[in-house]
Amino acid sequence: ETGVTQSPTHLIKTRGQQVTLRCSSQSGHNTVSWYQQALGQGPQFIFQYYREEENGRGNFPPRFSGLQFPNYSSELNVNALELDDSALYLCASSSRGGGLAYNEQFFGPGTRLTVL
Amino acid sequence: AQKITQTQPGMFVQEKEAVTLDCTYDTSDPSYGLFWYKQPSSGEMIFLIYQGSYDQQNATEGRYSLNFQKARKSANLVISASQLGDSAMYFCAMREGRAGNNRKLIWGLGTSLAVNP
Repeated sequence: ETGVTQSPTHLIKTRGQQVTLRCSSQSGHNTVSWYQQALGQGPQFIFQYYREEENGRGNFPPRFSGLQFPNYSSELNVNALELDDSALYLCASSSRGGGLAYNEQFFGPGTRLTVL
Repeated sequence: AQKITQTQPGMFVQEKEAVTLDCTYDTSDPSYGLFWYKQPSSGEMIFLIYQGSYDQQNATEGRYSLNFQKARKSANLVISASQLGDSAMYFCAMREGRAGNNRKLIWGLGTSLAVNP
């Protein structure tokens, strides 16, 4: 069973640029959630994708957008980068339905984004 | 208002001793789930233990147990027989609503645990 993978591991961008982060979900999982974790903070929910559609969004501006593909992998796109976007971006996959008791979210290793 | 409160920014424990990490939560939803995750310096979130709001028994997973006090809205993590590899950040998180809807997790600020040899 392949776990959740994310790419790239680290990324450095400058203000105003655009970035795309990628996530491959765990085998058999159909739901991907993205979180932003600033230094010294807990993760903040950005949005969730289920069967290629956005299924809930946190308090993030529209310049944060995403996609989910038929194989359930996902992308997070951030336009017009700001200094405060510097953070660890975590992707989590889970399986909606299937009789699971608590829909445990399995996390990838994260992408550390630095905006200069 | 904070939905998840972890009041201990940092904790120290001696190897082989037990340690309790505090977590209080706030929700008006009768259905919710509480999670604890471990985050080593590598960044990956590792699931430790889960407690559902309707679970009658406190959850246990190996050396991890959850002291669930529903009336006090607390869900403290107990780690028994601490090991050096337990040194990490620990996060408490909550899902509001039933599990079937696969809702987002709301996170606390975390507690940094250092295990001394």
